[in-house]
Amino acid sequence: AQSVTQLGSHVSVSEGALVLLRCNYSSSVPPYLFWYVQYPNQGLQLLLKYTTGATLVKGINGFEAEFKKSETSFHLTKPSAHMSDAAEYFCAVIYTGGFKTIFGAGTRLFVKA
Amino acid sequence: EPEVTQTPSHQVTQMGQEVILRCVPISNHLYFYWYRQILGQKVEFLVSFYNNEISEKSEIFDDQFSVERPDGSNFTLKIRSTKLEDSAMYFCASTLGQANSPLHFGNGTRLTVT
Repeated sequence: AQSVTQLGSHVSVSEGALVLLRCNYSSSVPPYLFWYVQYPNQGLQLLLKYTTGATLVKGINGFEAEFKKSETSFHLTKPSAHMSDAAEYFCAVIYTGGFKTIFGAGTRLFVKA
Repeated sequence: EPEVTQTPSHQVTQMGQEVILRCVPISNHLYFYWYRQILGQKVEFLVSFYNNEISEKSEIFDDQFSVERPDGSNFTLKIRSTKLEDSAMYFCASTLGQANSPLHFGNGTRLTVT
C-alpha cells in the first residue's frame, strides 16, 4: 500500500541545535512531497514542497528539505532550532495519478531552552 | 491571504445524534477534502470532492458520512448517527486542483461525542 513513514514520533533538540526530521516514501516513482506544520489548536500549514527540479527545497521559517530518490527520502532540516519551532510536523505525499494527500504519522518537535 | 474557514470550532453531541460540520473553502479552489485527526494520532483522509461529486473516499467514510456543497461557497460534512469513536478533530481543506497543489487547511472542528 502507498504510505509515508516518519521515523520518530518525538524529537527533542536544544535551542540553536540542528533539527532533522525524517521521512521516507514507498514508491518506485517519486511522488510529490510536502512538509506541513501544525501548531496547537490549529490546522496544518504548508512548510515546503517538492514537485520537480532542484532536489533541495527551501520553505518558510528557515526549514529546508532534500529529495533523495536513491533513498526514497525527503528529510526536513533546520540549521538552528528556535523555541517557536516547537510543533507537530507532518510529511505528506501525493502519488502519481492521484490527488489525495497521504500523511505520515507526524513527529512532534520539542525545543529545549 | 484567503483562507479556509470552519465552523463551529468545537461541537459536542450525544451518541446517535446527527452533526453537520461546515467549511468555506477558498473561493477559486476546485477540490475539497475532509480529513480527520483523532487525538494524538495521524491525519486521516476521509473524502475528496470535485465537480459536485465525491472523487475518492476512504474506508472510514462509510454510510454514516456524507458531504455536500449546497451552494457556491459552503462544503459540509454530515455524520448521521455519531458514535463515540467519531470524536476527533475534523479538518476541511481545499486546493486549486493540480496534482502537485498543496492543501490549504482550515483550523478544524473538534467533535466530541458523549
